[in-house]
Amino acid sequence: QITLKESGPTLVKPTQTLTLTCTFSGFSLNTSGVGVGWIRQPPGKALEWLALIYWDDDKRYSPSLKSRLTITKDTSENQVVLTMTNMDPVDTATYYCAHKSSGYFRYHFDYWGQGTLVTVSS
Amino acid sequence: EIVLTQSPGTLSLSPGERATLSCRTSQSVGSSYLAWYQQKPGQAPRLLIYGASSRATGTPDRFSGSGSGTDFTLTISRLEPEDFAVYYCQQYGSSSWTFGQGTKVEIK
Repeated sequence: QITLKESGPTLVKPTQTLTLTCTFSGFSLNTSGVGVGWIRQPPGKALEWLALIYWDDDKRYSPSLKSRLTITKDTSENQVVLTMTNMDPVDTATYYCAHKSSGYFRYHFDYWGQGTLVTVSS
Repeated sequence: EIVLTQSPGTLSLSPGERATLSCRTSQSVGSSYLAWYQQKPGQAPRLLIYGASSRATGTPDRFSGSGSGTDFTLTISRLEPEDFAVYYCQQYGSSSWTFGQGTKVEIK
């Protein structure tokens, strides 16, 4: 059974750096083709993909946010960490982590965490 | 970056009716890289369809996906009360993922 859970601060101040942790179980990030991604959703708005890290430590970032994002993994702890610098009130959103399975042409997210709401305010 | 445009923004239908949701992409997308998700209030998205037409585990067969190139469709053959939700399409291309802005299916 695959599960993912996001954790981190619920409130950050403008200009601060946000650090979110995704703790997962039921799969290994050592398995070829597997990835963990981060997606966010401002209140009442659409989903926005942020970043993804593959089993082999290859990383992909949203072009519009690339300069502010860093994604890393700790395979031994079954965790993926996302940092976002220079937070702004427009970054207020629910942040999700999600599993990308291995296999040909599998570039969708089949398991999602429950999400964590991050508010940016002074 | 490939832009996904979903239409309509809101679909008002009654239970038992057929729902047809559209997702158009700004560039041609491989069918293997197009997915659909359902999201209910306060919940995380749930994968419904991947590879444009393959149902994910647990997706009822009243949901079907079709399309190719730049035009994709999600069809719900007969709406059940639990199907009223927001639906998003998602594509992968050029090492990047993008989502559409969503279609809300509401009870008429």
